[in-house]
Amino acid sequence: NAGVTQTPKFQVLKTGQSMTLQCAQDMNHNSMYWYRQDPGMGLRLIYYSASEGTTDKGEVPNGYNVSRLNKREFSLRLESAAPSQTSVYFCASRLASATNEKLFFGSGTQLSVL
Amino acid sequence: DAKTTQPNSMESNEEEPVHLPCNHSTISGTDYIHWYRQLPSQGPEYVIHGLTSNVNNRMASLAIAEDRKSSTLILHRATLRDAAVYYCIPETSYDKVIFGPGTSLSVIP
Repeated sequence: NAGVTQTPKFQVLKTGQSMTLQCAQDMNHNSMYWYRQDPGMGLRLIYYSASEGTTDKGEVPNGYNVSRLNKREFSLRLESAAPSQTSVYFCASRLASATNEKLFFGSGTQLSVL
Repeated sequence: DAKTTQPNSMESNEEEPVHLPCNHSTISGTDYIHWYRQLPSQGPEYVIHGLTSNVNNRMASLAIAEDRKSSTLILHRATLRDAAVYYCIPETSYDKVIFGPGTSLSVIP
């Protein structure tokens, strides 16, 4: 079972470059999330999509855009990368339901902005 | 969003029980209490969740106070593999999920 797949696993960018982090899940989940985790820190929510066709800001949305392309895919775009965006990025998904299902996480993308 | 308070760090001896506390005094009536953990260099993984009554699974037990303003994650016999950061998250489905700083658990051989 693939679960939540993130690509790429590693990326190095120069300041000002743009890139898109991809996330796909094969569990028919309706909610998807993007987090960042700086070294030695906790996870911070960037954006989330409660259901297909909707996206909302999290705690730290500045400098990022997202697209919920379809039910499976949720991408995160950095339009003009900055060194402050050096971090590990995690995508997560879950089947949002009345019984409040758990989050499943991808393995992360380690991004360095020079 | 309900605010949570957890100890920054805790220590346990291997093979002894561990009780990880969490205060969530502003929890709403519909918030479930979720616990996740993050092993070194990995993404978070689900541990357990509950609404009102105590819950058990193969990984841990969750004890929820009667007023729901606090909960305790119980690891019955700590192993070295249980060394991780543990996050307590009261949250409602269909909404954002916010992780706090969590409790860093060290397990001493």
